Amino acid sequence: DAEITQSPRHKITETGRQVTLACHQTWNHNNMFWYRQDLGHGLRLIHYSYGVQDTNKGEVSDGYSVSRSNTEDLPLTLESAASSQTSVYFCATSPGGGTDTQYFGPGTRLTVL
Amino acid sequence: QQQVKQSPQSLIVQKGGISIINCAYENTAFDYFPWYQQFPGKGPALLIAIRPDVSEKKEGRFTISFNKSAKQFSLHIMDSQPGDSATYFCAAEPGSARQLTFGSGTQLTVLP
Repeated sequence: DAEITQSPRHKITETGRQVTLACHQTWNHNNMFWYRQDLGHGLRLIHYSYGVQDTNKGEVSDGYSVSRSNTEDLPLTLESAASSQTSVYFCATSPGGGTDTQYFGPGTRLTVL
Repeated sequence: QQQVKQSPQSLIVQKGGISIINCAYENTAFDYFPWYQQFPGKGPALLIAIRPDVSEKKEGRFTISFNKSAKQFSLHIMDSQPGDSATYFCAAEPGSARQLTFGSGTQLTVLP
């Protein structure tokens, strides 16, 4: 079955370290998104991509970067982790072409000490 | 700036009761309004969605009511069951871009 996987599922790191969260999809969807989920804020969009080599900033992009070299993967990099980036991170995909439904991965819980 | 405001933050309902969650939006460019359901430790999953050309959409026990003039929409869960206990998020998306703006979430507890 087609799916979205995220790895690692849990990560503890230290302030200042570079961290990369992986997102891999087998849906063959054009659109991919990264969100962070924090209590009281719902899900906030970090970065998104509408296809290979396309990346765009979302509402809370500062301190994060993404790259899209193929259809299946959109890794999220925290350049220099900060305690404020402790959160649960979700990757999502949608087919594009007018279909709006987004499908979410299982999430990565990141703790920055 | 929160473009989609959701209430209440938490909701406790008896089994068999009606759960109602409300959302209000500001951006008149929004033209797609989904509701997502999230269980602990899982990613959100689409529950039901509506476009502004209709005022109501029903799927089983779940109904979205949409009021375009008031810029409000709500989720009604009829005959609420303990298995409905989850966090519910409303969201909105403009026609010009496939980007969802989420509400802050409602934690629903249905008592047996």
